[in-house]
Amino acid sequence: AQSVAQPEDQVNVAEGNPLTVKCTYSVSGNPYLFWYVQYPNRGLQFLLKYITGDNLVKGSYGFEAEFNKSQTSFHLKKPSALVSDSALYFCAVRALYSSASKIIFGSGTRLSIRP
Amino acid sequence: DTAVSQTPKYLVTQMGNDKSIKCEQNLGHDTMYWYKQDSKKFLKIMFSYNNKELIINETVPNRFSPKSPDKAHLNLHINSLELGDSAVYFCASGPTGANVLTFGAGSRLTVL
Repeated sequence: AQSVAQPEDQVNVAEGNPLTVKCTYSVSGNPYLFWYVQYPNRGLQFLLKYITGDNLVKGSYGFEAEFNKSQTSFHLKKPSALVSDSALYFCAVRALYSSASKIIFGSGTRLSIRP
Repeated sequence: DTAVSQTPKYLVTQMGNDKSIKCEQNLGHDTMYWYKQDSKKFLKIMFSYNNKELIINETVPNRFSPKSPDKAHLNLHINSLELGDSAVYFCASGPTGANVLTFGAGSRLTVL
């Protein structure tokens, strides 16, 4: 089955510290992986993606993610957290559906950055 | 200029009623989607259209009927609303092949 898992409902980090939000996936074939962020009462915004190439992908707002094929993971990272990073983060993967493809999302991780 | 716009933003209605949510995108994308986000924030795909053709139809009750009059518009009509339909419905669009999606701001449906 094609799926994506975010094992942590919530991650709490002090401002200025590094942060990691975890994601693992299961897909057929080569994975297309994404991270999105959702602020309160807003739609999801694209942060970054991995399709091919370097395992370390850089995205918006200083975020990056590391693709690890052997561990089937795509963890989101940031070297120094800001209070404004507090939001809901979704990992996503492109999955095959009949002759089409679709983006399926993990359950989300709420990131809380304390001053 | 809003890239993906949904109306209405909020919808409060009684059980048994019929309601519609409209979505328009001005990005020139070929593919549009409806996603449902429940109270626990789980996001689940419902439908996808590519150039007005239905390509994805997840296990959604047939009370839900999407309609795409052209590739820039995807509307969602819901018949006989139930309490469990209360959720935030997100429209999204993207290029063919399910790559990066652009989401609307969501339509919060409350069924009383």
